[in-house]
Amino acid sequence: SQQGEEDPQALSIQEGENATMNCSYKTSINNLQWYRQNSGRGLVHLILIRSNEREKHSGRLRVTLDTSKKSSSLLITASRAADTASYFCATDDDMRFGAGTRLTVKP
Amino acid sequence: GAVVSQHPSWVICKSGTSVKIECRSLDFQATTMFWYRQFPKQSLMLMATSNEGSKATYEQGVEKDKFLINHASLTLSTLTVTSAHPEDSSFYICSARGGGEAPYEQYFGPGTRLTVT
Repeated sequence: SQQGEEDPQALSIQEGENATMNCSYKTSINNLQWYRQNSGRGLVHLILIRSNEREKHSGRLRVTLDTSKKSSSLLITASRAADTASYFCATDDDMRFGAGTRLTVKP
Repeated sequence: GAVVSQHPSWVICKSGTSVKIECRSLDFQATTMFWYRQFPKQSLMLMATSNEGSKATYEQGVEKDKFLINHASLTLSTLTVTSAHPEDSSFYICSARGGGEAPYEQYFGPGTRLTVT
């Protein structure tokens, strides 16, 4: 079974709002990665956070990691319609994916 | 970021024929490559992991004789769907992971859409 599990499975927000999605995993990790997939396309690597990091920023993306809870969150601030996609997390030692979070940003 | 290409981007073949899909890392050496398939509105399902020069490790339930994987060089892995059937129609995606400064970062190809008629 997969290591990363995303939550919620679907999220619908208005443009300009923030979107938060979560990822839980089972075993200890060296790092965790977040990806985005637009419909019918490959995955785009968004951000990697290492196990000794608690928070990381990249543009409008903010990722947190809580190794004690074995969870991570991805926050997209000031969302845009172009952010509409599915988002997945995966850990370094297990590149199996969960169902992902399908984000819809309404203009 | 690093670039991974796939060829072809889409292919239609007749039932019973074989189809080869190529995955190339264009600007880095990929020590490990992964092959996934994805059905509409579903997540990616890992099929196999391959390391250059060694046999691929297949996930449970994936037929290794049907989905032949060859990782012959550090920049190329191929997936051959043998004796394809309509149920093999799917979106196949590869990803590559290399060493260097970002050994854990994984880069995905754009995918290959296979339709078996």
